[in-house]
Amino acid sequence: GENVEQHPSTLSVQEGDSAVIKCTYSDSASNYFPWYKQELGKRPQLIIDIRSNVGEKKDQRIAVTLNKTAKHFSLHITETQPEDSAVYFCAASMDSSASKIIFGSGTRLSIRP
Amino acid sequence: NAGVTQTPKFQVLKTGQSMTLQCAQDMNHEYMSWYRQDPGMGLRLIHYSVGAGITDQGEVPNGYNVSRSTTEDFPLRLLSAAPSQTSVYFCASSYSLRSKLRGNTEAFFGQGTRLTVV
Repeated sequence: GENVEQHPSTLSVQEGDSAVIKCTYSDSASNYFPWYKQELGKRPQLIIDIRSNVGEKKDQRIAVTLNKTAKHFSLHITETQPEDSAVYFCAASMDSSASKIIFGSGTRLSIRP
Repeated sequence: NAGVTQTPKFQVLKTGQSMTLQCAQDMNHEYMSWYRQDPGMGLRLIHYSVGAGITDQGEVPNGYNVSRSTTEDFPLRLLSAAPSQTSVYFCASSYSLRSKLRGNTEAFFGQGTRLTVV
């Protein structure tokens, strides 16, 4: 089955700097890659997603890139703000309707003032 | 619109006890899933369902049973609780014809159930 690895497990950046989180997946059949943000004590919420027919997607300060050949994808957050502090999860699914989503182990992002 | 509702929010069980975690969604979603979240291990898929009457195993199914008799409900049963099942459990739902037409396959999560087995 699919296996998703995520690095780093913790990340601390100065406010205003950029943060990058990287993930790799094992099954080349995966074609949908969502990213979730989880604030302390709350439920995970989707922040951005990308499909295998697209190499990059942006939404304001957040961007995701996908390299299908290398089977890795990354989350980029620019101009980080205190409210970006949270745990971020990457995930992969083998069908575009996302019936079965496999998550990475998470990255705890801390923004230093 | 309530979204995905899980009950209870907190539960303490003794080893060997059984219980059912409830999950209901009102978004007419076809897909529903159960995850457990443990420190440093992310969200691990327990069981999932692509429609009423259809269920399948995820990454960590042992010790858990599910059924999907209606589109709205997807209960998770622990037949004989063990301390290793102490975790936070999340239910999620996604995908409907409307969301498909919009190109939206976002999975919506419930607020979670914190389960402690002593």
